[in-house]
Amino acid sequence: GAGVSQSPSNKVTEKGKDVELRCDPISGHTALYWYRQSLGQGLEFLIYFQGNSAPDKSGLPSDRFSAERTGGSVSTLTIQRTQQEDSAVYLCASSLWGGLNSPLHFGNGTRLTVT
Amino acid sequence: EDKVVQSPLSLVVHEGDTVTLNCSYEVTNFRSLLWYKQEKKAPTFLFMLTSSGIEKKSGRLSSILDKKELFSILNITATQTGDSAVYLCAVEPSGTYKYIFGTGTRLKVLA
Repeated sequence: GAGVSQSPSNKVTEKGKDVELRCDPISGHTALYWYRQSLGQGLEFLIYFQGNSAPDKSGLPSDRFSAERTGGSVSTLTIQRTQQEDSAVYLCASSLWGGLNSPLHFGNGTRLTVT
Repeated sequence: EDKVVQSPLSLVVHEGDTVTLNCSYEVTNFRSLLWYKQEKKAPTFLFMLTSSGIEKKSGRLSSILDKKELFSILNITATQTGDSAVYLCAVEPSGTYKYIFGTGTRLKVLA
């Protein structure tokens, strides 16, 4: 597609359930990023992929969070046993080659609400 | 610890005013600084700055970087209501491939 596509756009889940968020990057972009944006806050880095590997997982807040990328394309972010503090907008971005003066292109995000 | 600080946090102006948004940073081995505009959903890319003193310009928006004093400014002239948004600044430390974002400046332009 022309831009970064994320699904679902909104997700409401009960505390303790698992959720899976999907990101489809711009075709040809080798780098893929997940960020989290809480209300009134800046973007918090979660994880970065170069191809299918994740050289930097330093931002994942706990072991309940995991992410994978397959075929150098689609990525899924999984949150297990969701907690209320996980409520936020999860933004995915892709770039041509990851850092190195390559700007990020963002999707519209998934708004996650944990009740 | 690497950090990016934006000021002011919020700003209300009238159409036609000129605004200056600030972004200061402390990072290890700076590589680039980016400005984004976020309206409702996806932040959209405005500028990438890597060298001091070279102004980037797009229509009524312009930006410049000072690598000695570690800051950048984003100027918007003749503001319009469509400029209302959160403006985000991000810095890329060399070798990390990770962009560190500030909390943004919320700009509201009144008709």
